[in-house]
Amino acid sequence: KNQVEQSPQSLIILEGKNCTLQCNYTVSPFSNLRWYKQDTGRGPVSLTIMTFSENTKSNGRYTATLDADTKQSSLHITASQLSDSASYICVVSVYQAGTALIFGKGTTLSVSS
Amino acid sequence: NAGVTQTPKFQVLKTGQSMTLQCAQDMNHNSMYWYRQDPGMGLRLIYYSASEGTTDKGEVPNGYNVSRLNKREFSLRLESAAPSQTSVYFCASSESIAGGSNQPQHFGDGTRLSIL
Repeated sequence: KNQVEQSPQSLIILEGKNCTLQCNYTVSPFSNLRWYKQDTGRGPVSLTIMTFSENTKSNGRYTATLDADTKQSSLHITASQLSDSASYICVVSVYQAGTALIFGKGTTLSVSS
Repeated sequence: NAGVTQTPKFQVLKTGQSMTLQCAQDMNHNSMYWYRQDPGMGLRLIYYSASEGTTDKGEVPNGYNVSRLNKREFSLRLESAAPSQTSVYFCASSESIAGGSNQPQHFGDGTRLSIL
């Protein structure tokens, strides 16, 4: 069964600190892996999209890594800001006709001052 | 740019009532989607439209219908609302169908629907 598991479920960090969110997946055949940021009361916003051949991709203070062999991805946030408080969703795309995006349940990050 | 616009933002219905959720995108995208998001669960696909003139069922289509009115607009209809359909509904669009492509999906800010 295609699944995406994220950990931790929630995380609290101090402003200025770094953090890493994890995503493990059992999806086949794999097409790409996406990270989204969802602010409270808003829709998800795309941060990165990585294909099988990409190991790392950055978007400002956000850096995503992908290990396709172990089927793991991480999202590293550097020098966190209060505005980073949000839910971060890992999404894995299944390579097939039509659309087949498997969404994780998300990690809720709270950044406090 | 407005991106993806959803209306209404909030709605309360009584069981058995019907309503249509509207979605419009101004990015000239070919593909559009409807998702629902429930507490403790990932987004689940209700219906999608790979291109103008086509619609297909997603993971949880029961109790819903859709219409791809034109390239810009994709509506979701609840014919006879049930309390189990209380949820936040998100519309999304992408340049080409997500899944096999590397195109990002762009989401609206959702419609919060409560059914009593």
